[in-house]
Amino acid sequence: GAGVSQSPSNKVTEKGKDVELRCDPISGHTALYWYRQRLGQGLEFLIYFQGNSAPDKSGLPSDRFSAERTGESVSTLTIQRTQQEDSAVYLCASSVGTGGGYTFGSGTRLTVV
Amino acid sequence: GEDVEQSLFLSVREGDSSVINCTYTDSSSTYLYWYKQEPGAGLQLLTYIFSNMDMKQDQRLTVLLNKKDKHLSLRIADTQTGDSAIYFCAESMNQGGKLIFGQGTELSVKP
Repeated sequence: GAGVSQSPSNKVTEKGKDVELRCDPISGHTALYWYRQRLGQGLEFLIYFQGNSAPDKSGLPSDRFSAERTGESVSTLTIQRTQQEDSAVYLCASSVGTGGGYTFGSGTRLTVV
Repeated sequence: GEDVEQSLFLSVREGDSSVINCTYTDSSSTYLYWYKQEPGAGLQLLTYIFSNMDMKQDQRLTVLLNKKDKHLSLRIADTQTGDSAIYFCAESMNQGGKLIFGQGTELSVKP
């Protein structure tokens, strides 16, 4: 597509439920990144994919967080047994891997109640 | 370790120049970026600079890099109300790797 697409744009879930967040990168972008942005704060790196492998998943905060990617396409970030501290905007970005900077999606705003 | 620091707020009058500052700690950073985030929107890449450069200009934007002091700045000339947003500085070690972001500077432009 023309840009990075994320869905849903908003998600409200009850504490303890699992959620799946989806990212559709720009076609042809081999690199894909997930970041988390808590209210009023900067971005925290979560995980990076090159193709469908994840050379850097150092930012995943706990084993409740996992992500996968199918080929050089869609990625899904899954949060199990959600907690209130998981409330944040989850941003996805993609890049061709050779140029400077990424293209970000508009994010998924997750609220855990 | 990796750390990027920015002041949290900047207020300017329309037509003035804005200067947003950033410091980073990792001397092996090779790429430094400025992103803009408008309310409710994702991040928009404004510009980036390689660490072997000390200045880059793009229309109203000027990026200055002092590698010795690990200091990066973004100057916006003739600031407009549409420039009101949060500006993030970020560094990376290489192309395609993770970015380390500052906490963002909220720029407020008053008419």
